[in-house]
Amino acid sequence: KAGVTQTPRYLIKTRGQQVTLSCSPISGHRSVSWYQQTPGQGLQFLFEYFSETQRNKGNFPGRFSGRQFSNSRSEMNVSTLELGDSALYLCASSFTQQGDEQFFGPGTRLTVL
Amino acid sequence: QQQVKQSPQSLIVQKGGISIINCAYENTAFDYFPWYQQFPGKGPALLIAIRPDVSEKKEGRFTISFNKSAKQFSLHIMDSQPGDSATYFCAASGDYKLSFGAGTTVTVRA
Repeated sequence: KAGVTQTPRYLIKTRGQQVTLSCSPISGHRSVSWYQQTPGQGLQFLFEYFSETQRNKGNFPGRFSGRQFSNSRSEMNVSTLELGDSALYLCASSFTQQGDEQFFGPGTRLTVL
Repeated sequence: QQQVKQSPQSLIVQKGGISIINCAYENTAFDYFPWYQQFPGKGPALLIAIRPDVSEKKEGRFTISFNKSAKQFSLHIMDSQPGDSATYFCAASGDYKLSFGAGTTVTVRA
C-alpha cells in the first residue's frame, strides 16, 4: 500500500505570496491532519479533516486554511506569506475514527524569502 | 503551552546500550500515546504506541512503559544500534490531534 504523498516536496516563495500544498492520504484513510515543523517550535498541529469536515484547528492565524475533498485528498493554503512561515509542512493520515494512529508523509519544505 | 514535556533533549549511547526517553503529560483526556522516529529530511515514522489501559508494550527492541497515575510514559531502546541514531518524538492524542513533545536526538556511538 502506498504511503502518504505530498506535493510539491520543495517550494520557494517570497513574502506576500500565497501557496497551496497538496496531500494524498493512504488509500482507505479518511482522516487527514496537517502539522508545521520548525526548529524553534517543534511539531505544531494546524488542522484535521474527516470526511470533508474540519474537526479541529490549531492556534494559527486565519492566513492558514485547508480543505478536504470527497476522495480524502487534502490541500492547505497559506496566504500573504511571512518569513516566519518557512517550515516543513507535514501531512498525516489515519484510518481510525478518532484520527489517532497517524502516518506521516515526507513533508513539503517551504522557504519564504 | 506545551501539553507534553519530553526529556532529555539529547543523549549519546554506546552501541549495544539502552536509550531511555521520558515524557509527561497533563491532560487526562489523552487516550493514545505514540512514539515517532524521524531521520533528517524525512517525515516522522510511527514506531510504537500504547493506550492507557496497558502499562507496557514491547515491539522488538522498543518498549513503552506507561504510568497512568503519574501521567508519564517512556521509551526504552534496547541493544541500541548506529541505525537508531535519529530524533524521537513522544506524542499524545486527544480531540482529533496529536500533541508532540519537543524531541530527543539520540546518537549511538559504534
